[in-house]
Amino acid sequence: QVQLVESGGGVVQPGGSLRLSCAASGFTFSSYGMHWVRQAPGKGLEWVAFIRYDGSNKYYADSVKGRFTISRDNSKNTLYLQMNSLRAEDTAVYYCAKEKSSGWYESAFDIWGQGTMVTVSS
Amino acid sequence: DIQMTQSPSSLSASVGDRVTITCRASQGISNYLAWYQQKPGKVPKLLIYAASTLQSGVPSRFSGSGSGTDFTLTISSLQPEDVATYYCQKYNSAPYSFGQGTKLEIK
Repeated sequence: QVQLVESGGGVVQPGGSLRLSCAASGFTFSSYGMHWVRQAPGKGLEWVAFIRYDGSNKYYADSVKGRFTISRDNSKNTLYLQMNSLRAEDTAVYYCAKEKSSGWYESAFDIWGQGTMVTVSS
Repeated sequence: DIQMTQSPSSLSASVGDRVTITCRASQGISNYLAWYQQKPGKVPKLLIYAASTLQSGVPSRFSGSGSGTDFTLTISSLQPEDVATYYCQKYNSAPYSFGQGTKLEIK
């Protein structure tokens, strides 16, 4: 079945780095745009980053621009989020999410991973 | 950037009630609007996309409407399992912002 499994979360000090991974299965990963969405404890959903199916376009929320980098390896069916210069306010559950429609145009997010917790604390 | 504003922020209703949640975009987004349901401790679930198209497997008591800047999510007859936080989201272009959420409880 279609599945996304995140990994790589943990506790990191302010200013530190972390790389999240999202392993995809059950669908043609290379045909779909992918996103990272986060949710701070007790808060709402915040979109973080997007990468087009072929990696040709990447977009970021202002809150992470210049610090986070989204990437993908279509040969490994894996999505990544490199997070540098981490701050306390980056503490959240990070979800990867798949777009519902394949191809160029953006669409809603139909499959979500279970999330991985990132805690930024000294 | 386009802002997404939901109302109300919280809502309490009785089983069987008709419930409506509103989402307003600060600029027109055509019908590039999705609704998600997040039950406590669970992953968000897509309910509606393209403003009014029901995602496969979602009960027909859920419906969406609107276009441009004003959108609504309606539950025609509230069930106990509908207790959740509901989010709208624009996806016409980046940033793909979410509304702040509407927490729905049973009275």
